[in-house]
Amino acid sequence: EAQLVESGGGLVKPGGSLRLSCAASGFNFNIAWMAWVRQAPGKGLEWVGRIRSEYDGGTPDYAAPVKGRFTISRDDSKNTLYLQLNRLSNEDTAVYYCATLKRGWRYMDVWGKGTTVTVSS
Amino acid sequence: EVVLTQSPDTLSLSPGDRATLSCRASQGVSSSYIAWYQQKPGQPPRVLIYGTSNRATGIPDRFSGSGSGTDFTLTVSSLEPEDFAVYYCLYYDNSPDTFGQGTKLEIK
Repeated sequence: EAQLVESGGGLVKPGGSLRLSCAASGFNFNIAWMAWVRQAPGKGLEWVGRIRSEYDGGTPDYAAPVKGRFTISRDDSKNTLYLQLNRLSNEDTAVYYCATLKRGWRYMDVWGKGTTVTVSS
Repeated sequence: EVVLTQSPDTLSLSPGDRATLSCRASQGVSSSYIAWYQQKPGQPPRVLIYGTSNRATGIPDRFSGSGSGTDFTLTVSSLEPEDFAVYYCLYYDNSPDTFGQGTKLEIK
């Protein structure tokens, strides 16, 4: 059974940085496309970005609000997805979820439980 | 960028009722790339429908999806107590993926 476990969230000051991890198990991670989605407190879901499998080029795409500040990467040897968050602002406070993209369809299929990032002085 | 607008924002119904949730796209989109998610408090979203009308694994057949062009619908034929939650549509064809703002389905 596919499982995703996020970690690395916490309290950070505005302008600070954080790296989130997403440990994957139960499926073939190295051919999976992966995504990050966030949810601010009491708000809806917001797509952050995705990364293709190395087989498909390994390139990321980003949502406009995070482009240039956030970086998605992966380490297939560790079955782990990463999200580097830089130049954080209060608006980045959210639960961050990682998800697999269903092969052949690309919708977000399996989700982790999320990790909380709080940006506050 | 495609913008998805869901309606209504809140839907108040009783168990056993039929629920109809709408998702309207700002421009015509391929029906292959519309999905619906259910989210309960404190939980991650769960995919219900993909490709407009395909039920995901393990989803009861009281959930169905339909639509084309700019208008898409999620229907729950007879509400069970566990169906009261927030529902999101998603367009996932191209970067960026786009979620609707959500419809809260609450008990009347």
